[in-house]
Amino acid sequence: DVQLVQSGVEVKKPGESLKISCKGSGYSFSSYFIAWVRQKPGKALEWVGIIYPGDSDTRYSPSFQGQVTISADKSINTAYLQWSSLKASDTAMYYCARRDYSGGWFLRDWGQGTLVTVSS
Amino acid sequence: QSVLTQPPSVSAAPGQKVTISCSGSSSNIGNNYVSWYQQLPETAPKLLIYDNNKRASRIPDRFSGSKSGTSATLGITGLQTGDEADYYCATWDGNVSFNWVFGGGTKVTVL
Repeated sequence: DVQLVQSGVEVKKPGESLKISCKGSGYSFSSYFIAWVRQKPGKALEWVGIIYPGDSDTRYSPSFQGQVTISADKSINTAYLQWSSLKASDTAMYYCARRDYSGGWFLRDWGQGTLVTVSS
Repeated sequence: QSVLTQPPSVSAAPGQKVTISCSGSSSNIGNNYVSWYQQLPETAPKLLIYDNNKRASRIPDRFSGSKSGTSATLGITGLQTGDEADYYCATWDGNVSFNWVFGGGTKVTVL
């Protein structure tokens, strides 16, 4: 079975850095894009960006370009989402998801989510 | 404000049917496939429908999807209390380079 296991809850202060992870198993990790999705408390899902672990090709939503960095280490089947300087507005649940393709693209498998709280 | 417009909420009694609309434009729904996701309370989203109308693995046939022009619809028949959740549509938006968009979500309440 495909599994995406994300790192645990994070509580940080504004200005701190953070890197959260998403480890894939049960499929060829290098061959599928991994997407990151943000969900602020009580709000809708938002697309952050996507990475192809095979060659680290990375694309960002215009709303998140320059705000976060997405990376991957295919040797350990893990994708990452990181911030260099957190803001209170980054407080949210972050999900990773495996993108699949049939006629069109869709997010087939999801991680359990990582809750990030940024507060002074 | 989401690019894809969904009603904030719909409700019906157990056993009844609900439909959830997802309205977009020619740059997104009009020229791309739509997928739908279910998010039960305090859980991660789960794929329900992809390619407009194909059910994901182990999704019962009570759930159906369709698309016409720049709108898509999710239908749920034989409503059950376990269907109470938020539902999101999603697709590609060609107006902006490499941009995937979600709807604003619809809360389904079983009366």
